[in-house]
Amino acid sequence: ETGVTQTPRHLVMGMTNKKSLKCEQHLGHNAMYWYKQSAKKPLELMFVYNFKEQTENNSVPSRFSPECPNSSHLFLHLHTLQPEDSALYLCASSQEGRNHNEQFFGPGTRLTVL
Amino acid sequence: GESVGLHLPTLSVQEGDNSIINCAYSNSASDYFIWYKQESGKGPQFIIDIRSNMDKRQGQRVTVLLNKTVKHLSLQIAATQPGDSAVYFCAGVDSWGKLQFGAGTQVVVTP
Repeated sequence: ETGVTQTPRHLVMGMTNKKSLKCEQHLGHNAMYWYKQSAKKPLELMFVYNFKEQTENNSVPSRFSPECPNSSHLFLHLHTLQPEDSALYLCASSQEGRNHNEQFFGPGTRLTVL
Repeated sequence: GESVGLHLPTLSVQEGDNSIINCAYSNSASDYFIWYKQESGKGPQFIIDIRSNMDKRQGQRVTVLLNKTVKHLSLQIAATQPGDSAVYFCAGVDSWGKLQFGAGTQVVVTP
């Protein structure tokens, strides 16, 4: 266990559905991240939150909407997704300000869009 | 921008042999590099890192080598075990703390 949990672990949704992914970190970190992992491609950084403030949005389509109510929780709200959005969505956390930026990853949510 | 990539998508290794996973990068501005291991059904897990002012760093059964001249780093796993079967990623970290990952190498350990 890395101290980062994600729910659900698997999600199948239609293109007209609205769903949310949840991430929780128990490490006392102050930065949280959403990544997209597609087959045979590098991890793609989607969003970064530092101290609950969004500091990075890597040109992610508006059908993905992040929310960070506190430094321990991170959500990714999904609506009107496309089949090409099917991927593994990984959450990570880290402690900003340290000498290195070791990110701790959750197990991911396997998303399938029909 | 930085590009971090791996030479081989799949590496088959016999149990007990040493594994060498390679990674090339194009931007020399990274402060350090990290190797992650991702087992099936799990998220990436930190293995070892190396700062850009170092050439070599050793951990438990793993060694990372950094050659800044040719912008190449490698991960060596000694006495590979079945539990080492996973996808291995290298990542470069810039001065802003942003990680850029390679596509990953699948390591398959055969008996």
